[in-house]
Amino acid sequence: DAGVIQSPRHEVTEMGQEVTLRCKPISGHDYLFWYRQTMMRGLELLIYFNNNVPIDDSGMPEDRFSAKMPNASFSTLKIQPSEPRDSAVYFCASSDSPARLFFGSGTQLSVL
Amino acid sequence: AQSVAQPEDQVNVAEGNPLTVKCTYSVSGNPYLFWYVQYPNRGLQFLLKYITGDNLVKGSYGFEAEFNKSQTSFHLKKPSALVSDSALYFCAVGGSGAGSYQLTFGKGTKLSVIP
Repeated sequence: DAGVIQSPRHEVTEMGQEVTLRCKPISGHDYLFWYRQTMMRGLELLIYFNNNVPIDDSGMPEDRFSAKMPNASFSTLKIQPSEPRDSAVYFCASSDSPARLFFGSGTQLSVL
Repeated sequence: AQSVAQPEDQVNVAEGNPLTVKCTYSVSGNPYLFWYVQYPNRGLQFLLKYITGDNLVKGSYGFEAEFNKSQTSFHLKKPSALVSDSALYFCAVGGSGAGSYQLTFGKGTKLSVIP
């Protein structure tokens, strides 16, 4: 298995633009997580899905953030409109057992 | 609410010496405890976990961690550090049951092993 695949690896955009981050989990994993990593706040859980259904989105910072999982092999995290304070590394992770997560390599987002 | 504290932002150790990276936690009920490692420009990788049983847990790359319930600690250890162990280490806690999937991570400790 290729592991959790995230795209793009790097994204540079201007304030106000829409940003879409993509994730392909490991086949057979029924949990998918979106995390954000910054120097100031560390690693924060934004939202997670079980069997494609959002379970807890209490970590999503604002209405500007939305996440979808239309099927078991694909998820998106969208920011619209983006702001400079959204600059961070966004990780997707998947799991098939309690709390052993497999992380993707992340998307480095820079909002200018 | 569950939380994790890693009191040291950075730990420096000479190659060949033992290393310890500290972690304390707070959670309702029985904890699920984890250590993850992050190398530059990579996602986090699982090292080891404690769910139940023996308080000393052995993991990948020669690492081990000791669960201490009375001190609510889960320190990461290795008897002899390697330069290749230099990385960012994260402690994480989850609750039992449905909460076991919602991990809370510490802010991380940067380990530097000096040749």
